[in-house]
Amino acid sequence: AQSVAQPEDQVNVAEGNPLTVKCTYSVSGNPYLFWYVQYPNRGLQFLLKYITGDNLVKGSYGFEAEFNKSQTSFHLKKPSALVSDSALYFCAVRANQAGTALIFGKGTTLSVSS
Amino acid sequence: DAGVIQSPRHEVTEMGQEVTLRCKPISGHDYLFWYRQTMMRGLELLIYFNNNVPIDDSGMPEDRFSAKMPNASFSTLKIQPSEPRDSAVYFCASTPRVPGTGANVLTFGAGSRLTVL
Repeated sequence: AQSVAQPEDQVNVAEGNPLTVKCTYSVSGNPYLFWYVQYPNRGLQFLLKYITGDNLVKGSYGFEAEFNKSQTSFHLKKPSALVSDSALYFCAVRANQAGTALIFGKGTTLSVSS
Repeated sequence: DAGVIQSPRHEVTEMGQEVTLRCKPISGHDYLFWYRQTMMRGLELLIYFNNNVPIDDSGMPEDRFSAKMPNASFSTLKIQPSEPRDSAVYFCASTPRVPGTGANVLTFGAGSRLTVL
């Protein structure tokens, strides 16, 4: 079965520092991987996705993610964190080979301090 | 487009009562999903539809839960009878059909926060 794991419940960084939110995956077949962000009392918003091609994927708000097949990881990164980046971040994988549904990780709370 | 519209945004009810959550997907989106978010279990896929037909309901927790999509612009998630453990935020999401990929981006509604006392 497809699954993703986010090993950290919370990540704390200072504004201006680089940030990394970790995600590892387990899939059969090609991994279709996604990152979403959730701000308080809001629905999830799409950040970026990896389907094929370059291992470094660029997305919204200056975020990027690196796909690493050997380590089965898809970590979310940003060179310089902003206080406004504080939110809940979800990694997701396509539920099955032919499907459209996504399976989400438990989420990682990112807290950026000023 | 107004995005995915969910109602009510908040619902407080007593155990045993029937709860109906509603969703209007983005026009032209062929897929509609219902997710449930709790602190303990994170985001769980409950059921999803393609062209108004339920494709996978394996995530529906028990028979008390039912979902329908009578037309392309409306879906309901019903809980009858409700229990305190059903308290959660329920999200609806939709996406268009992209043949041959499965790389679709889901657009989520703002969610319906359910509290069962």
